[in-house]
Amino acid sequence: AQSVTQLGSHVSVSEGALVLLRCNYSSSVPPYLFWYVQYPNQGLQLLLKYTTGATLVKGINGFEAEFKKSETSFHLTKPSAHMSDAAEYFCAVKGFGGQGEGAQKLVFGQGTRLTINP
Amino acid sequence: EAGVAQSPRYKIIEKRQSVAFWCNPISGHATLYWYQQILGQGPKLLIQFQNNGVVDDSQLPKDRFSAERLKGVDSTLKIQPAKLEDSAVYLCASSSRTEAFFGQGTRLTVV
Repeated sequence: AQSVTQLGSHVSVSEGALVLLRCNYSSSVPPYLFWYVQYPNQGLQLLLKYTTGATLVKGINGFEAEFKKSETSFHLTKPSAHMSDAAEYFCAVKGFGGQGEGAQKLVFGQGTRLTINP
Repeated sequence: EAGVAQSPRYKIIEKRQSVAFWCNPISGHATLYWYQQILGQGPKLLIQFQNNGVVDDSQLPKDRFSAERLKGVDSTLKIQPAKLEDSAVYLCASSSRTEAFFGQGTRLTVV
C-alpha cells in the first residue's frame, strides 16, 4: 500500500526566496512519485515526476525534486519564488510492477498551500 | 491532444436529490480515476477503472455512490441520495502508464 505525508499545510515565502515543500511517502513496491499543482477552481496539473533513473528531476516553471530512497522523501524546490507560484501543491505516489501500472492506486497527500509575499 | 473532459462544471442540489457527473478521458487511456476533493484536503480516490473493469472501489460509499465506465471509454459517477457532506469537487483523471491527467472537476454543492 502507498501513503503520502506532506509536512506543512501552509508555507509562506517572500518573492525571490527559496521554495521548499516537503513530501515523505511509504510504498510496498518501488514507487512512481509526482508533484501536482492546483490553481483555484481548476484541476490538477503535473509539475514533475520520478519514475526510474536520475533521482533529481526537473519540471515546469523552474521546479525540481529529488528522490531520496533512504529517506523516503521527494521534496519539491524552486530557487526563486514568483508571485505566480501561489497555489496548492500535492505530492502523490503510485506503485509500479506487480499487476501492472494500471492496477496501481495513485494516492495523494493532503496538500501544501504556498503563499508568496511581495 | 484533447484533455480530460468533465461536465457539468458546477452543480447545486438539495439533500436527498440525485446527481450525475460525466467524464470523457484522453483517447487511448486505459485507466480512469474518480476522486473526491473536499475543501482544504487532498484528493481521495473513490474508484479506479482499468478499461471497463473496476480495480479499486474500497473508498466508494456504495450505499449512495455508483460509477460505471461504458465500453472502457466514458464514465459516469452518480450520487443518490446526496448528503450535505458530499459537497466537494469531483475530479476525473485518466492515465496510460505513469502520470494521470486531470479534468477541470465538477464542484458539487449540496444544500
